[in-house]
Amino acid sequence: DTAVSQTPKYLVTQMGNDKSIKCEQNLGHDTMYWYKQDSKKFLKIMFSYNNKELIINETVPNRFSPKSPDKAHLNLHINSLELGDSAVYFCASSQARFSPLHFGNGTRLTVT
Amino acid sequence: SQQGEEDPQALSIQEGENATMNCSYKTSINNLQWYRQNSGRGLVHLILIRSNEREKHSGRLRVTLDTSKKSSSLLITASRAADTASYFCATPNGDDKIIFGKGTRLHILP
Repeated sequence: DTAVSQTPKYLVTQMGNDKSIKCEQNLGHDTMYWYKQDSKKFLKIMFSYNNKELIINETVPNRFSPKSPDKAHLNLHINSLELGDSAVYFCASSQARFSPLHFGNGTRLTVT
Repeated sequence: SQQGEEDPQALSIQEGENATMNCSYKTSINNLQWYRQNSGRGLVHLILIRSNEREKHSGRLRVTLDTSKKSSSLLITASRAADTASYFCATPNGDDKIIFGKGTRLHILP
């Protein structure tokens, strides 16, 4: 049973397109996150939701919009994709504040 | 802003040897966490050490924390090929964000 699952695993698209990444967790956690990992493996937090409410919104272009329909799901929609958006995007969840994160296996986004 | 910084950036050792990775951080912490990332996979939590703890063990892993020096170390004893991965330290900051360092890439040579 996958704890945090993301789809799709790979996403190849052209500049200017709009795409979405979906994330679901079956751990019963209240908090979910989106992280971006660049080509140098640096992980940067983008957003965090607690029980469907946005609690962290880092300096991310407003082309990125997270949506949490319920506390088990956190999706990421990206408008007008740019070359610099190419990265691996990870969804994660945690049980409580400062608790360890449980990560999905990532979505590798390639913008051409 | 980046909180943790791992050292070295890359490490290659022979199978069976011990591997030590270090992490330095900047501000006061509630806890410090270590994660492993295998190639093409998500990060997996290994061990959490609280700010009032100095050492913690889990199997072949030993983590130390020195809050006066704002540093932590991860020791993997008797390394195996399966330990080849990137290792990250992470710390929650005051804004409830868990911030990751840049990682140490560990390569275990057969």
